[in-house]
Amino acid sequence: NAGVTQTPKFRILKIGQSMTLQCTQDMNHNYMYWYRQDPGMGLKLIYYSVGAGITDKGEVPNGYNVSRSTTEDFPLRLELAAPSQTSVYFCASSSRTGGRYQPQHFGDGTRLSIL
Amino acid sequence: DAKTTQPPSMDCAEGRAANLPCNHSTISGNEYVYWYRQIHSQGPQYIIHGLKNNETNEMASLIITEDRKSSTLILPHATLRDTAVYYCIGLTETGGGNKLTFGTGTQLKVEL
Repeated sequence: NAGVTQTPKFRILKIGQSMTLQCTQDMNHNYMYWYRQDPGMGLKLIYYSVGAGITDKGEVPNGYNVSRSTTEDFPLRLELAAPSQTSVYFCASSSRTGGRYQPQHFGDGTRLSIL
Repeated sequence: DAKTTQPPSMDCAEGRAANLPCNHSTISGNEYVYWYRQIHSQGPQYIIHGLKNNETNEMASLIITEDRKSSTLILPHATLRDTAVYYCIGLTETGGGNKLTFGTGTQLKVEL
């Protein structure tokens, strides 16, 4: 059981380049989330999804896009990379059973530097 | 969701209990208190959560005051591997998922 898998683990981009951070989970969770973490800070929510085909903005969505075509995958797209997007990106997933949310499971993160 | 306040850092001797406090004076009646930890920049790991009653699992105990304005996470026998940043989070469950709002947490250092 792999849980939440993020690729790549590390990436260096040039300003203005684009890339997609991949996230996949094998737990059949409906809910998926993208967070970013800047040095010395807590995680901030970028986007989230409550199921395939449904996404919504979190606290810091500017400069990012997401899609959710399947239950398993929730890719995060950076269209025009900027130095302010240098951060560690975490993907998470959770489920809801008996009307109660289960705790989120997190991936190991993608460390992204924009130079 | 309630704003939570935690001390920035704490130290604990290995084998002793680690008691991590959290203030959440604006917590609402249907808001849960969640605890996560993050070891050395890995992805956060869920520890425990509660609403009104004290909770215990294989990792820790959560003590919530009767007025629910504060809580304490207890690691009963801290080890070096418990060195991490611990986050206390207030969470209201809505139809839009259990979105987490992280503060800066408490850096716990367990020493020999």
